[in-house]
Amino acid sequence: DTAVSQTPKYLVTQMGNDKSIKCEQNLGHDTMYWYKQDSKKFLKIMFSYNNKELIINETVPNRFSPKSPDKAHLNLHINSLELGDSAVYFCASSQAGGVYEQYFGPGTRLTVT
Amino acid sequence: AQSVAQPEDQVNVAEGNPLTVKCTYSVSGNPYLFWYVQYPNRGLQFLLKYITGDNLVKGSYGFEAEFNKSQTSFHLKKPSALVSDSALYFCAVRDWRNTDKLIFGTGTRLQVFP
Repeated sequence: DTAVSQTPKYLVTQMGNDKSIKCEQNLGHDTMYWYKQDSKKFLKIMFSYNNKELIINETVPNRFSPKSPDKAHLNLHINSLELGDSAVYFCASSQAGGVYEQYFGPGTRLTVT
Repeated sequence: AQSVAQPEDQVNVAEGNPLTVKCTYSVSGNPYLFWYVQYPNRGLQFLLKYITGDNLVKGSYGFEAEFNKSQTSFHLKKPSALVSDSALYFCAVRDWRNTDKLIFGTGTRLQVFP
């Protein structure tokens, strides 16, 4: 069973479009995250949610809007896509309340043309 | 500000030789440190973490890491490298101000040659 899954795996779209990436975890974790990995492989956190509540909101354009319908799901919606949004987006999850490792999904490669 | 540094973009090692991937940290308070590995076109996988106690931490796939407080380092090691260890390795530190947040290093590409 896949612990953290993301759909789609690849997303190719044009500038100005709106797109969503979905994430689900079956680990029973309370905390979920979105990361962006750029072309140089630099990894930066974008958002985190704990039990559906937004905890971390890094300096991310407000075109990016996370939504957590329940604690097992954290989706990422992106409005008015720009060329600079091209990257690999990773979802992750972890237990809360201690020093726990994060479990990552396989990533969604977004290409904006 | 809290940070980790991985001074080497790439490390090359022959199969069967010991390997070291370097990481140094800068934190306020006690450091909680992690190593992750990323294989091509995959998500990150957790290898090991340091919380407190023994300075030598053992992890997955035969990897271990040595915490050195005086040198503020947390180097990843393996006694005998395998070709299949070739991947991108990330060091990370937990942000003390926001304990949900991990701050990642820039990554080190490990290439193991047969």
